[in-house]
Amino acid sequence: NAGVTQTPKFRILKIGQSMTLQCTQDMNHNYMYWYRQDPGMGLKLIYYSVGAGITDKGEVPNGYNVSRSTTEDFPLRLELAAPSQTSVYFCASTDRNQPQHFGDGTRLSIL
Amino acid sequence: QQPVQSPQAVILREGEDAVINCSSSKALYSVHWYRQKHGEAPVFLMILLKGGEQKGHDKISASFNEKKQQSSLYLTASQLSYSGTYFCGPHRGSTLGRLYFGRGTQLTVWP
Repeated sequence: NAGVTQTPKFRILKIGQSMTLQCTQDMNHNYMYWYRQDPGMGLKLIYYSVGAGITDKGEVPNGYNVSRSTTEDFPLRLELAAPSQTSVYFCASTDRNQPQHFGDGTRLSIL
Repeated sequence: QQPVQSPQAVILREGEDAVINCSSSKALYSVHWYRQKHGEAPVFLMILLKGGEQKGHDKISASFNEKKQQSSLYLTASQLSYSGTYFCGPHRGSTLGRLYFGRGTQLTVWP
């Protein structure tokens, strides 16, 4: 069982560059989430989706965009990368009243 | 909106017990608990639903008092494998699966 798959695992970006973090789940979950985790901190919700075609902002959406064209995929787009976006990014999926299943994370550094 | 976890850090000897508390200022539908080891993704431990239900997972159990909007995680006879950061994620029911994670409690178990 693959669960939630995130790519890439590591990435270094230069300030001002853009990139897309990929997230795919094979559990047919309706709900998907993007979190960022800064060192020593908890998980902050960036964006979430309750189904294909439906997305909404979380706590810290500025500088990011998402789309959900299929149930399986929920990519996160960084436009004009800034040093403040250096973090570990986790994608998760779930169905109602079920645990969230997390991917292994993408470690992103912006220099 | 973030819940408050206490203590922030705990150091134990193998075999000792610990309690981690989670308080929310908002009415709760359920509480999720996760454990995260350094450099890894959070892993689900248990969900507590309304009703003061107490659940267990090996020697880890938890309670949920929805009137006080509090949950506690009990670690009994701690093992080295219990080391990690514990996060509570209260669920407010109407927010479509969203969890509001606390900052975490770092637990270190020494032999």
